[in-house]
Amino acid sequence: SQKIEQNSEALNIQEGKTATLTCNYTNYSPAYLQWYRQDPGRGPVFLLLIRENEKEKRKERLKVTFDTTLKQSLFHITASQPADSATYLCAQPGYSTLTFGKGTMLLVSP
Amino acid sequence: DTGVSQDPRHKITKRGQNVTFRCDPISEHNRLYWYRQTLGQGPEFLTYFQNEAQLEKSRLLSDRFSAERPKGSFSTLEIQRTEQGDSAMYLCASSSGLAGEQFFGPGTRLTVL
Repeated sequence: SQKIEQNSEALNIQEGKTATLTCNYTNYSPAYLQWYRQDPGRGPVFLLLIRENEKEKRKERLKVTFDTTLKQSLFHITASQPADSATYLCAQPGYSTLTFGKGTMLLVSP
Repeated sequence: DTGVSQDPRHKITKRGQNVTFRCDPISEHNRLYWYRQTLGQGPEFLTYFQNEAQLEKSRLLSDRFSAERPKGSFSTLEIQRTEQGDSAMYLCASSSGLAGEQFFGPGTRLTVL
């Protein structure tokens, strides 16, 4: 069955650096991938959607790539800030909803 | 505030009791989703409504779980005879299209003692 995998280990980086988070999928390429941010005790918040035929998408300090050869999406936050500390979730479409990865916790230290 | 709201935010109950959660989606959204999330995991799909019709249920949704969306507006999720394994965050989300972003509520945290 189609799976979506994110690195479960937390990513610790220093303020100002670029954070790169990875989302891998198995088998077929999904039509699109979505990225969400989740703060502790709160619901996820949508950040970006990238379609299969798009190589890259940007929004302010965020950049997402979609590599169908590697079966991978990368999520980048440039000039990271402590306020970017959160869990970031990758999601792929299922029959009628989304299947989420476990998420990767990002910790940005001042 | 025109976002998704959920009530209650926290619920503590004893094993064997029934609980009911409510979700009010964004008013113009016809799609409504329920997810469950445990610590260290991503949201796990439970069920989906398009307007008032429940179109999909996860195999994980046991017979103790039931959801409704009367009149295609708010939705309720009921868990009967709660078990300790039901302890989790229950998230509701709504959207206006199949491929669109989902807007999540703040969740209801259930603790079963």
